[in-house]
Amino acid sequence: DAGVIQSPRHEVTEMGQEVTLRCKPISGHDYLFWYRQTMMRGLELLIYFNNNVPIDDSGMPEDRFSAKMPNASFSTLKIQPSEPRDSAVYFCASREWDSSDEQFFGPGTRLTVL
Amino acid sequence: EDKVVQSPLSLVVHEGDTVTLNCSYEVTNFRSLLWYKQEKKAPTFLFMLTSSGIEKKSGRLSSILDKKELFSILNITATQTGDSAVYLCAVEGGTYKYIFGTGTRLKVLA
Repeated sequence: DAGVIQSPRHEVTEMGQEVTLRCKPISGHDYLFWYRQTMMRGLELLIYFNNNVPIDDSGMPEDRFSAKMPNASFSTLKIQPSEPRDSAVYFCASREWDSSDEQFFGPGTRLTVL
Repeated sequence: EDKVVQSPLSLVVHEGDTVTLNCSYEVTNFRSLLWYKQEKKAPTFLFMLTSSGIEKKSGRLSSILDKKELFSILNITATQTGDSAVYLCAVEGGTYKYIFGTGTRLKVLA
């Protein structure tokens, strides 16, 4: 398996633009997580899905952020409009439903909003 | 508010030294504590701990959890330059609600 795949790996955009980050989880994994990592706040859970259904989005910072999972192999995180304070590395992770608790992280998307 | 605090924030040691990284937590619904290693890219899983006093080991790394005092330690013996990374502690405080600390940055000098 190729692991969790994220695209793009780097994104530079201007304030006010729409940004869409993409994630393909590991096949067969039931859970998908979106995280944001900054120097100041560390790694923060934004939202997670179980079987394509959003379960907890309490970490989504504000209405400018939205996430979807239309099928078991694809999820998007959208920011509209983007702001400079959204600059961060965004990770997607997936895991199976079992007792190991191991999440497998993707390589991340480094977002810079100018 | 749930929180996870790691110490020290950074650490510089020489190869062969032993290091101890600390993680304390306050969560309302503890389920598990996890340690990750993050080099330049994505975090990679090291350990999951759910029970107090049971040490988990993997090679030169070991970890233990104290649920009474609400902390965990990660030990690395005979450190190598390849151990240089950020070590993250995360607590599951509610079903799949992971709270991460800001990490300890470890640098091992040759």
